Amino acid sequence: DVKVTQSSRYLVKRTGEKVFLECVQDMDHENMFWYRQDPGLGLRLIYFSYDVKMKEKGDIPEGYSVSREKKERFSLILESASTNQTSMYLCASSSPTSGAIDTQYFGPGTRLTVL
Amino acid sequence: GEDVEQSLFLSVREGDSSVINCTYTDSSSTYLYWYKQEPGAGLQLLTYIFSNMDMKQDQRLTVLLNKKDKHLSLRIADTQTGDSAIYFCAETISGGYQKVTFGIGTKLQVIP
Repeated sequence: DVKVTQSSRYLVKRTGEKVFLECVQDMDHENMFWYRQDPGLGLRLIYFSYDVKMKEKGDIPEGYSVSREKKERFSLILESASTNQTSMYLCASSSPTSGAIDTQYFGPGTRLTVL
Repeated sequence: GEDVEQSLFLSVREGDSSVINCTYTDSSSTYLYWYKQEPGAGLQLLTYIFSNMDMKQDQRLTVLLNKKDKHLSLRIADTQTGDSAIYFCAETISGGYQKVTFGIGTKLQVIP
């Protein structure tokens, strides 16, 4: 059973703080993703990584950075948190298989509030 | 570019059928998916359809794909209160890295 875990379910931070969100998957997946989910906007891709030390910008990378030092771990960093980064953050992983579906497995999410 | 659209909300009575609709713009989609998100949880893959198929049935779920109109629907027969969730339509574009594009999600409310 694929498991994607996120370090916190709920997090409250102050404006200007540096915030780390951690995600770990146990299925040796190559691909990992960070999304944010906001009402009426659905899921928006922030960053993804298809290999260790590799990263690609998604649709809304501004204000975020990521780190992938180990295959199983993908971190999302908010260098200086702002109130408009209050959101639900979802991590996902997948393994590319030629000719097959690309199922993404999601973690439970971290609800971040920036005051 | 890719765009996936869905309505925001659907309300049905327990025992009725639910139909959740989705339109997409990219004709080079290879797979189309339905994900389910229960309250307080992440998304889980519910079902998927390959772009060369018209229909797929899996127990109470029926997926219909109209490639000409770029329209995808999910029908849930005999809807139960446990089906209350947000349903996301998603697509994968072929070629290179397989990025998945999600719709905004349709919140299904099942009234007992």
